[in-house]
Amino acid sequence: GAVVSQHPSRVICKSGTSVKIECRSLDFQATTMFWYRQFPKQSLMLMATSNEGSKATYEQGVEKDKFLINHASLTLSTLTVTSAHPEDSSFYICSARDITRGPNEQFFGPGTRLTVL
Amino acid sequence: LAKTTQPISMDSYEGQEVNITCSHNNIATNDYITWYQQFPSQGPRFIIQGYKTKVTNEVASLFIPADRKSSTLSLPRVSLSDTAVYYCLVGDGLTGGGNKLTFGTGTQLKVEL
Repeated sequence: GAVVSQHPSRVICKSGTSVKIECRSLDFQATTMFWYRQFPKQSLMLMATSNEGSKATYEQGVEKDKFLINHASLTLSTLTVTSAHPEDSSFYICSARDITRGPNEQFFGPGTRLTVL
Repeated sequence: LAKTTQPISMDSYEGQEVNITCSHNNIATNDYITWYQQFPSQGPRFIIQGYKTKVTNEVASLFIPADRKSSTLSLPRVSLSDTAVYYCLVGDGLTGGGNKLTFGTGTQLKVEL
């Protein structure tokens, strides 16, 4: 149980285009999901907290108009990278918390590798 | 959220026990200590969580001294497949921040034959 999926796993796009990444909790409901970004050889950096039915909460320094987050249901959150540029190339990972588990125990998706040409 | 400090890297051999220590001097009363494992190009995976003393599950043990200012993740009899980055996190998971996790630098464990 407690599986989180992401789609797509890998995407290559041209500069200036928008890319949507989906995060799904497959066997549990997640009122809160999280989006992270990870550059090579670096740790995960939290970008935003996605709340079902309300606006996302962005971390300091993350542009909310560039990284659009929608959490329309208890099992789906989407991250849209708008007008992507090469510096947005990164590994994007989502996570979700199953409230039936212990605190700080989150389940992570497999990640999405974004390459902007 | 309490800051954590852990070694950047560790090397070991197959079959040995590996202990990774994490310092969290500013841990708060309500904070739990959680460890995650991450393989390259994959999302992190929860390993173990504890509040005090010792916690053991099927993959690891977590030792937490009485002052809780540090913790040690113990991996018994490691294999090549345990080569990964291990992250120590501290937080209460119940704050208004909605359980958000702050990842530190992690420890790159390399297991060799």
